[in-house]
Amino acid sequence: KAGVTQTPRYLIKTRGQQVTLSCSPISGHRSVSWYQQTPGQGLQFLFEYFSETQRNKGNFPGRFSGRQFSNSRSEMNVSTLELGDSALYLCASSFTTLNSPLHFGNGTRLTVT
Amino acid sequence: AQKVTQAQTEISVVEKEDVTLDCVYETRDTTYYLFWYKQPPSGELVFLIRRNSFDEQNEISGRYSWNFQKSTSSFNFTITASQVVDSAVYFCALSDNAGNMLTFGGGTRLMVKP
Repeated sequence: KAGVTQTPRYLIKTRGQQVTLSCSPISGHRSVSWYQQTPGQGLQFLFEYFSETQRNKGNFPGRFSGRQFSNSRSEMNVSTLELGDSALYLCASSFTTLNSPLHFGNGTRLTVT
Repeated sequence: AQKVTQAQTEISVVEKEDVTLDCVYETRDTTYYLFWYKQPPSGELVFLIRRNSFDEQNEISGRYSWNFQKSTSSFNFTITASQVVDSAVYFCALSDNAGNMLTFGGGTRLMVKP
């Protein structure tokens, strides 16, 4: 079974630009979550989608948004990029978050210059 | 609010030594789940174990074992006879009953030297 796939693996953007990251969950998994990992703040929850609906959102500004498609694939978007948005963005999927562990992808490393 | 503390930021051991990674958590929920994940240099978080708050039995899986003590709000992880391949960052995490979002500790970087 293929794991969680995130594309691209690396991105370099400049301040003020916007970026879209993609995540394909494990086949059959309907829940997709996004996390941001930085050296200073560690791993922080961004949001979680289930059946195309955002169920939970972390404490991030509105510049961070996401969506989920009918095939469970998910995208997250960051607009008006800031230097502090440089991070590893990890996507995780689960069959359902209730009593199911999350399976993570390799992440997308975003560098904002 | 939930909180997970991993006081050890970095541990260095020599191969074959036993090592314990500490995890202390805070939550007001009566039902919750605790997790351990391993993050190798490739970046992917690898699931190791999940425990719910009602199951305090210790668990052993090969060289790995976990000690859950509700009385001290701790969920410690022990690697017996460590190997170089165990070198990674290990994260302890906590979720609420719905499991909709994980609160991670700061991680412990384990370096196992040959």
